[in-house]
Amino acid sequence: EVQLVQSGAEVKKPGESLKISCKGSGYSFTSYWIGWVRQLPGEGLEWMGIVFPGDSDTRYSPSFQGQVTIAADKSINTAYLQWSSLKASDTAMYYCVTLDSSGYLDYWGQGILVTVSP
Amino acid sequence: EIVLTQSPGTLSLSPGERATLSCRASQSVGSSYLGWYQQKPGQAPRLLIYGASSRATGIPNRFSGSGSGTDFTLTISRLEPEDFAVYYCQHYGSSRKPFGQGTKVEIK
Repeated sequence: EVQLVQSGAEVKKPGESLKISCKGSGYSFTSYWIGWVRQLPGEGLEWMGIVFPGDSDTRYSPSFQGQVTIAADKSINTAYLQWSSLKASDTAMYYCVTLDSSGYLDYWGQGILVTVSP
Repeated sequence: EIVLTQSPGTLSLSPGERATLSCRASQSVGSSYLGWYQQKPGQAPRLLIYGASSRATGIPNRFSGSGSGTDFTLTISRLEPEDFAVYYCQHYGSSRKPFGQGTKVEIK
């Protein structure tokens, strides 16, 4: 069974750094892209970017380029989403998701709520 | 940049009724790269339809997708209580992979 298990909720202050994780199991982790999706409180879904764990190739949506870092460690089947300096506007739910070879989002993590507040 | 516009914003229906949700693209996206996702409150989204009309594994056949080019439709033939949720379309064939803004299907 394919599973994506994300790390727990985070509460941070503006300016702090953060790295959240997503551990994959039940499939060949190095063979499929993993993406990240943001959902602001009460809002819709936004595409952030993807990483290919096999070679760490990374692609970003223009809206998120330079704002976050996406990475993967294939030795432990884990993908990451990282901020160097959080803002209050980063408060959101973040989902990791696997991409089928055609590109649709077939398996989703349970989501991580990140709250950034003074 | 392709923009997806979903309509209506909210659909108020009763169990057993038919739901028709629309997703319109600002330019043609073909038919191969359009997906639909369902999100219930407090849950992660799940894939319903890919390739505009193919049901994902385990999705009941009351869900169907159609369309090509710029106009796509998700149809729920007879609403079950568990179908009341928010539905998003997505064009996953581009690097930006845009989502529509969502249609909420609520109980009338």
